[in-house]
Amino acid sequence: SQQGEEDPQALSIQEGENATMNCSYKTSINNLQWYRQNSGRGLVHLILIRSNEREKHSGRLRVTLDTSKKSSSLLITASRAADTASYFCATSIAGTALIFGKGTTLSVSS
Amino acid sequence: NAGVMQNPRHLVRRRGQEARLRCSPMKGHSHVYWYRQLPEEGLKFMVYLQKENIIDESGMPKERFSAEFPKEGPSILRIQQVVRGDSAAYFCASSPKGNEQYFGPGTRLTVT
Repeated sequence: SQQGEEDPQALSIQEGENATMNCSYKTSINNLQWYRQNSGRGLVHLILIRSNEREKHSGRLRVTLDTSKKSSSLLITASRAADTASYFCATSIAGTALIFGKGTTLSVSS
Repeated sequence: NAGVMQNPRHLVRRRGQEARLRCSPMKGHSHVYWYRQLPEEGLKFMVYLQKENIIDESGMPKERFSAEFPKEGPSILRIQQVVRGDSAAYFCASSPKGNEQYFGPGTRLTVT
Protein backbone atom coordinates (compact mmCIF):
# COMPACT_ATOMS: atom_id res chain seq x y z
CA SER A 1 0.00 0.00 0.00
CA GLN A 2 1.10 3.55 -0.63
CA GLN A 3 3.25 4.90 2.16
CA GLY A 4 2.86 8.64 1.76
CA GLU A 5 -0.37 10.50 1.15
CA GLU A 6 -0.28 14.23 0.52
CA ASP A 7 -3.06 16.59 1.37
CA PRO A 8 -4.51 18.60 -0.27
CA GLN A 9 -4.35 17.15 -3.77
CA ALA A 10 -4.39 20.66 -5.25
CA LEU A 11 -3.81 24.11 -3.81
CA SER A 12 -4.23 27.51 -5.47
CA ILE A 13 -2.92 30.66 -3.83
CA GLN A 14 -1.82 34.20 -4.66
CA GLU A 15 1.79 35.33 -4.76
CA GLY A 16 2.99 36.35 -1.33
CA GLU A 17 0.72 33.94 0.53
CA ASN A 18 1.98 30.91 2.42
CA ALA A 19 1.34 27.38 1.19
CA THR A 20 1.06 24.41 3.52
CA MET A 21 1.06 20.82 2.37
CA ASN A 22 0.67 17.77 4.57
CA CYS A 23 1.88 14.23 4.26
CA SER A 24 0.86 11.16 6.23
CA TYR A 25 2.54 7.78 6.22
CA LYS A 26 1.86 4.38 7.66
CA THR A 27 4.98 2.70 9.03
CA SER A 28 8.14 3.64 10.89
CA ILE A 29 10.67 5.55 8.83
CA ASN A 30 14.33 6.53 8.85
CA ASN A 31 13.74 9.83 7.14
CA LEU A 32 11.21 11.78 5.12
CA GLN A 33 12.04 13.87 2.10
CA TRP A 34 10.18 16.48 0.10
CA TYR A 35 10.63 16.87 -3.63
CA ARG A 36 9.35 19.35 -6.21
CA GLN A 37 8.49 18.45 -9.78
CA ASN A 38 7.81 21.03 -12.42
CA SER A 39 5.48 19.94 -15.18
CA GLY A 40 7.17 17.40 -17.42
CA ARG A 41 10.47 17.60 -15.58
CA GLY A 42 12.53 15.59 -13.14
CA LEU A 43 12.38 15.82 -9.36
CA VAL A 44 14.28 18.39 -7.37
CA HIS A 45 15.23 17.45 -3.82
CA LEU A 46 14.05 20.11 -1.38
CA ILE A 47 14.72 18.90 2.12
CA LEU A 48 15.36 15.77 4.18
CA ILE A 49 14.24 15.44 7.78
CA ARG A 50 15.39 12.52 9.89
CA SER A 51 13.13 10.59 12.22
CA ASN A 52 14.78 12.12 15.29
CA GLU A 53 14.24 15.69 14.07
CA ARG A 54 11.07 17.70 14.57
CA GLU A 55 11.60 20.75 12.40
CA LYS A 56 13.93 21.86 9.67
CA HIS A 57 14.31 25.08 7.66
CA SER A 58 15.79 25.80 4.28
CA GLY A 59 15.29 29.29 2.89
CA ARG A 60 11.54 29.84 2.52
CA LEU A 61 10.81 26.19 3.32
CA ARG A 62 9.89 24.85 6.72
CA VAL A 63 9.31 21.14 7.29
CA THR A 64 7.94 19.56 10.43
CA LEU A 65 7.79 15.92 11.35
CA ASP A 66 5.55 14.33 13.97
CA THR A 67 6.46 10.66 14.24
CA SER A 68 3.74 10.01 16.84
CA LYS A 69 1.12 11.06 14.28
CA LYS A 70 3.13 9.75 11.33
CA SER A 71 2.77 13.05 9.55
CA SER A 72 4.84 15.85 8.07
CA SER A 73 4.09 19.28 6.74
CA LEU A 74 5.84 21.48 4.21
CA LEU A 75 5.35 25.23 4.51
CA ILE A 76 6.42 27.55 1.73
CA THR A 77 6.40 31.16 2.89
CA ALA A 78 5.93 34.23 0.69
CA SER A 79 5.16 32.09 -2.34
CA ARG A 80 6.17 33.08 -5.86
CA ALA A 81 4.81 32.16 -9.27
CA ALA A 82 7.97 30.07 -9.76
CA ASP A 83 6.87 27.83 -6.86
CA THR A 84 4.09 26.46 -9.09
CA ALA A 85 4.80 22.74 -9.27
CA SER A 86 3.83 19.38 -7.81
CA TYR A 87 5.23 18.57 -4.39
CA PHE A 88 5.83 15.02 -3.20
CA CYS A 89 6.78 13.59 0.13
CA ALA A 90 8.80 10.39 0.13
CA THR A 91 9.64 8.13 3.01
CA SER A 92 12.57 5.83 3.41
CA ILE A 93 12.99 2.76 5.53
CA ALA A 94 16.58 1.70 6.22
CA GLY A 95 17.90 3.99 3.48
CA THR A 96 16.61 2.00 0.56
CA ALA A 97 13.82 2.72 -1.90
CA LEU A 98 11.80 5.89 -1.54
CA ILE A 99 8.04 5.52 -1.33
CA PHE A 100 6.21 8.47 -2.80
CA GLY A 101 2.75 9.86 -2.33
CA LYS A 102 0.62 11.10 -5.22
CA GLY A 103 1.63 14.70 -4.62
CA THR A 104 0.09 18.11 -4.09
CA THR A 105 -0.24 20.35 -7.12
CA LEU A 106 0.45 23.94 -6.14
CA SER A 107 -0.56 26.86 -8.36
CA VAL A 108 0.66 30.32 -7.45
CA SER A 109 -0.87 33.15 -9.41
CA SER A 110 0.52 36.64 -9.68
CA ASN B 1 29.83 17.73 -10.70
CA ALA B 2 27.28 16.91 -13.34
CA GLY B 3 23.93 15.67 -12.13
CA VAL B 4 22.30 12.36 -12.90
CA MET B 5 22.10 11.90 -16.65
CA GLN B 6 19.43 9.94 -18.42
CA ASN B 7 19.05 9.23 -22.08
CA PRO B 8 17.20 9.31 -24.21
CA ARG B 9 14.87 11.96 -22.83
CA HIS B 10 12.05 10.80 -25.06
CA LEU B 11 11.64 7.38 -26.58
CA VAL B 12 8.91 6.15 -28.88
CA ARG B 13 8.50 2.43 -29.47
CA ARG B 14 5.90 0.33 -31.25
CA ARG B 15 4.23 -2.49 -29.38
CA GLY B 16 6.49 -5.52 -29.29
CA GLN B 17 9.76 -3.61 -29.63
CA GLU B 18 12.44 -3.30 -26.97
CA ALA B 19 13.16 -0.16 -24.97
CA ARG B 20 16.56 0.50 -23.41
CA LEU B 21 16.85 3.36 -20.95
CA ARG B 22 20.21 4.54 -19.69
CA CYS B 23 21.21 6.25 -16.48
CA SER B 24 24.61 7.66 -15.54
CA PRO B 25 24.77 8.38 -11.80
CA MET B 26 26.49 11.37 -10.28
CA LYS B 27 30.22 11.03 -9.90
CA GLY B 28 31.07 9.05 -6.80
CA HIS B 29 27.58 7.56 -6.43
CA SER B 30 27.42 3.79 -6.45
CA HIS B 31 23.73 3.37 -5.63
CA VAL B 32 21.16 3.60 -8.43
CA TYR B 33 17.38 3.44 -8.21
CA TRP B 34 14.79 3.26 -10.96
CA TYR B 35 11.25 4.61 -10.56
CA ARG B 36 8.25 4.76 -12.87
CA GLN B 37 5.70 7.56 -12.93
CA LEU B 38 2.34 7.11 -14.58
CA PRO B 39 0.36 10.25 -15.56
CA GLU B 40 -1.08 12.14 -12.57
CA GLU B 41 0.60 9.80 -10.11
CA GLY B 42 3.61 9.73 -7.83
CA LEU B 43 6.73 7.75 -8.51
CA LYS B 44 6.72 4.01 -7.88
CA PHE B 45 9.93 2.21 -6.99
CA MET B 46 11.09 -0.45 -9.40
CA VAL B 47 14.64 -1.58 -8.63
CA TYR B 48 17.70 -0.67 -6.54
CA LEU B 49 21.19 -1.56 -7.72
CA GLN B 50 24.75 -1.13 -6.61
CA LYS B 51 27.66 -1.77 -8.91
CA GLU B 52 27.11 -5.17 -10.53
CA ASN B 53 24.47 -6.17 -7.96
CA ILE B 54 20.71 -5.99 -7.75
CA ILE B 55 19.86 -5.15 -4.15
CA ASP B 56 16.07 -4.90 -4.32
CA GLU B 57 13.87 -5.59 -7.32
CA SER B 58 10.60 -5.91 -5.45
CA GLY B 59 8.96 -3.21 -7.57
CA MET B 60 9.96 -4.67 -10.90
CA PRO B 61 7.38 -6.52 -12.99
CA LYS B 62 8.32 -10.19 -13.13
CA GLU B 63 8.35 -10.41 -16.91
CA ARG B 64 9.84 -8.31 -19.71
CA PHE B 65 11.69 -5.92 -17.36
CA SER B 66 15.34 -6.19 -16.39
CA ALA B 67 17.99 -3.87 -15.01
CA GLU B 68 21.74 -3.88 -14.71
CA PHE B 69 24.47 -1.63 -13.39
CA PRO B 70 27.78 -2.92 -14.78
CA LYS B 71 31.20 -2.21 -13.36
CA GLU B 72 31.81 0.20 -16.22
CA GLY B 73 29.17 2.30 -17.91
CA PRO B 74 25.66 3.42 -17.15
CA SER B 75 22.81 1.55 -15.54
CA ILE B 76 20.37 0.14 -18.08
CA LEU B 77 16.66 -0.50 -17.66
CA ARG B 78 15.47 -2.82 -20.39
CA ILE B 79 11.86 -3.44 -21.33
CA GLN B 80 11.25 -6.21 -23.82
CA GLN B 81 8.15 -6.53 -26.00
CA VAL B 82 6.72 -3.22 -24.85
CA VAL B 83 2.98 -2.76 -24.45
CA ARG B 84 0.90 0.44 -24.28
CA GLY B 85 0.72 0.16 -20.50
CA ASP B 86 4.50 0.64 -20.31
CA SER B 87 4.08 4.24 -21.48
CA ALA B 88 5.30 6.34 -18.56
CA ALA B 89 8.13 8.50 -17.34
CA TYR B 90 11.05 6.48 -15.99
CA PHE B 91 13.30 8.21 -13.50
CA CYS B 92 16.67 7.18 -12.26
CA ALA B 93 18.15 8.40 -8.98
CA SER B 94 21.61 7.97 -7.54
CA SER B 95 22.94 8.16 -4.03
CA PRO B 96 26.40 8.03 -2.47
CA LYS B 97 25.38 5.99 0.55
CA GLY B 98 21.78 4.94 0.07
CA ASN B 99 20.14 7.92 1.77
CA GLU B 100 19.52 11.19 -0.07
CA GLN B 101 18.66 10.46 -3.67
CA TYR B 102 19.30 12.75 -6.61
CA PHE B 103 17.05 12.35 -9.60
CA GLY B 104 17.74 12.54 -13.30
CA PRO B 105 15.44 14.35 -15.76
CA GLY B 106 13.67 11.14 -16.72
CA THR B 107 12.97 9.27 -19.92
CA ARG B 108 9.47 9.56 -21.30
CA LEU B 109 8.52 6.34 -23.03
CA THR B 110 5.62 6.31 -25.43
CA VAL B 111 4.42 3.03 -26.84
CA THR B 112 2.33 3.33 -29.98
